[in-house]
Amino acid sequence: NAGVTQTPKFQVLKTGQSMTLQCAQDMNHNSMYWYRQDPGMGLRLIYYSASEGTTDKGEVPNGYNVSRLNKREFSLRLESAAPSQTSVYFCASRQFSYNEQFFGPGTRLTVL
Amino acid sequence: GENVEQHPSTLSVQEGDSAVIKCTYSDSASNYFPWYKQELGKRPQLIIDIRSNVGEKKDQRIAVTLNKTAKHFSLHITETQPEDSAVYFCAASKNFNKFYFGSGTKLNVKP
Repeated sequence: NAGVTQTPKFQVLKTGQSMTLQCAQDMNHNSMYWYRQDPGMGLRLIYYSASEGTTDKGEVPNGYNVSRLNKREFSLRLESAAPSQTSVYFCASRQFSYNEQFFGPGTRLTVL
Repeated sequence: GENVEQHPSTLSVQEGDSAVIKCTYSDSASNYFPWYKQELGKRPQLIIDIRSNVGEKKDQRIAVTLNKTAKHFSLHITETQPEDSAVYFCAASKNFNKFYFGSGTKLNVKP
């Protein structure tokens, strides 16, 4: 039982490049979330998926797109990376009947 | 949207003392308030949470209090230990969809 996994762990991009961050959970959770964490700003919600087949914008969605591929996987895409998207990205999941969000280990992204 | 403010940003205590971290929120419809601990380079982990129909919850050395009228909630850690040193985040949510986090408190417990 791996919990929530994220790939890659680290990534360096040049401005304008695109990439997809992958997230998968093996806990049969219904809801999944993408956050970014910047120094001194806590975590900010980018997008979330309340259940398979649905996605919705969070606090800071501009510049990102998401896909809930199936119940297990929720990917985050940067179409044209900008230096302002340099951050640590966390994926999380939650089961309907429980309160707790379980976080993945994070992806550290640097955009030059 | 919701706005969560957290204070203080840093807190230094002596081992064995108590630590208190406070958060305020703006949306009176928020009904779930978790607290997370994040060690350096690690993922956030839930340490305690409280729903809006409860005023206080305790788990060993950790407690959370909620004042819905004033829209603030607090984390209390008693008998602090060096392993309590970490960054603590509060959050608020309405019905578990969107979660809004505070900016974090770096707690340093001096041995």
